Amino acid sequence: GNSVTQMEGPVTLSEEAFLTINCTYTATGYPSLFWYVQYPGEGLQLLLKATKADDKGSNKGFEATYRKETTSFHLEKGSVQVSDSAVYFCALSEEYSGGGADGLTFGKGTHLIIQP
Amino acid sequence: DSGVTQTPKHLITATGQRVTLRCSPRSGDLSVYWYQQSLDQGLQFLIQYYNGEERAKGNILERFSAQQFPDLHSELNLSSLELGDSALYFCASSPQVSGNTIYFGEGSWLTVV
Repeated sequence: GNSVTQMEGPVTLSEEAFLTINCTYTATGYPSLFWYVQYPGEGLQLLLKATKADDKGSNKGFEATYRKETTSFHLEKGSVQVSDSAVYFCALSEEYSGGGADGLTFGKGTHLIIQP
Repeated sequence: DSGVTQTPKHLITATGQRVTLRCSPRSGDLSVYWYQQSLDQGLQFLIQYYNGEERAKGNILERFSAQQFPDLHSELNLSSLELGDSALYFCASSPQVSGNTIYFGEGSWLTVV
């Protein structure tokens, strides 16, 4: 079955540091890949996505590139801010030939803490 | 604001009881998903409905059931509640059955005491 593996935190960085959160996946076909963010006390928000190999998703200074050869979708940001403190989830969605889908398969989430 | 509305936001109930969580999807979205988020299990997909019909099932317990109504809102029914059912339950929606971005509501916090 499908699975997503991401580094578990907490990851603690200083403001303006470079961020990388690793994510690798296992899927039988050609999934779409997503990063969601969950701020304290809130629901999940879509951060960025990529739907095919070599696509780069980007939003709010965050980037991730769909690497089919390494089955990875690592999240990066050049200079983090205190407001980026949150839990980040990598996820995949795969269509089945019958037109259905099993929703999103999530990683366990990475808790990011940015210190001033 | 994702446009997905969930009620109630918080709920405390006793073991053995039954509760219903309600979800209104984004305007025009036909697919509704339910997820459970707990500390030990993480985020787990429970079930998906598309235009009133069940489309996919995940790790949903037999004590749990869901439905999607003609107006496309959905309800998740949790019965014979156990302490371990305490979790954050998310509803999400997307326009079609698959291949689209899924948008999440803010969740319903269920505490079973």
